[in-house]
Amino acid sequence: KQEVTQIPAALSVPEGENLVLNCSFTDSAIYNLQWFRQDPGKGLTSLLLIQSSQREQTSGRLNASLDKSSGRSTLYIAASQPGDSATYLCAVPSGNTPLVFGKGTRLSVIA
Amino acid sequence: KAGVTQTPRYLIKTRGQQVTLSCSPISGHRSVSWYQQTPGQGLQFLFEYFSETQRNKGNFPGRFSGRQFSNSRSEMNVSTLELGDSALYLCASSSTGNEQFFGPGTRLTVL
Repeated sequence: KQEVTQIPAALSVPEGENLVLNCSFTDSAIYNLQWFRQDPGKGLTSLLLIQSSQREQTSGRLNASLDKSSGRSTLYIAASQPGDSATYLCAVPSGNTPLVFGKGTRLSVIA
Repeated sequence: KAGVTQTPRYLIKTRGQQVTLSCSPISGHRSVSWYQQTPGQGLQFLFEYFSETQRNKGNFPGRFSGRQFSNSRSEMNVSTLELGDSALYLCASSSTGNEQFFGPGTRLTVL
């Protein structure tokens, strides 16, 4: 059974810092991994989708990497801003489940 | 292109009642999935529909059901509501089963 873990559960950084969020998964037989952002009480916004054949995907200040063999993905946020404050979730498809989610990392960027 | 829409956005019901939630996918998307999000359990998969057929189902009791119409719109129904059904219900649509796009969610409160 696929399990997704995100560390840390919460993170607080000053504005302007570069930061890394971690995601690990137990079954490496995935065909993609998706990172989402969720603001309080809102839906999920897709940030990046990495196919299993890719090692990295970039969008603006965001860069996500995928290492299938070790069951890990990281989301790198450059030059963080207060508007980046949100919960970040990673998810992978598994068996009959379109997406299995981690519990998320709650990020606070302090001005 | 319009995103995924969900109605209603907020709902308050009492124990024992039933509720129907609606989801309209992105135009052209034929796959719709439903998830329940609670503070304790995080995001959990309910079911997935493709071309009016339930393709996959998560580990939820039979009180939770759904359907998909020929225009790909989907509804989920919860009968005999319990306090523990209070949650944010999210639906996602996909064109290829690859990248998932989420709606804003329906916040259900059961009193």
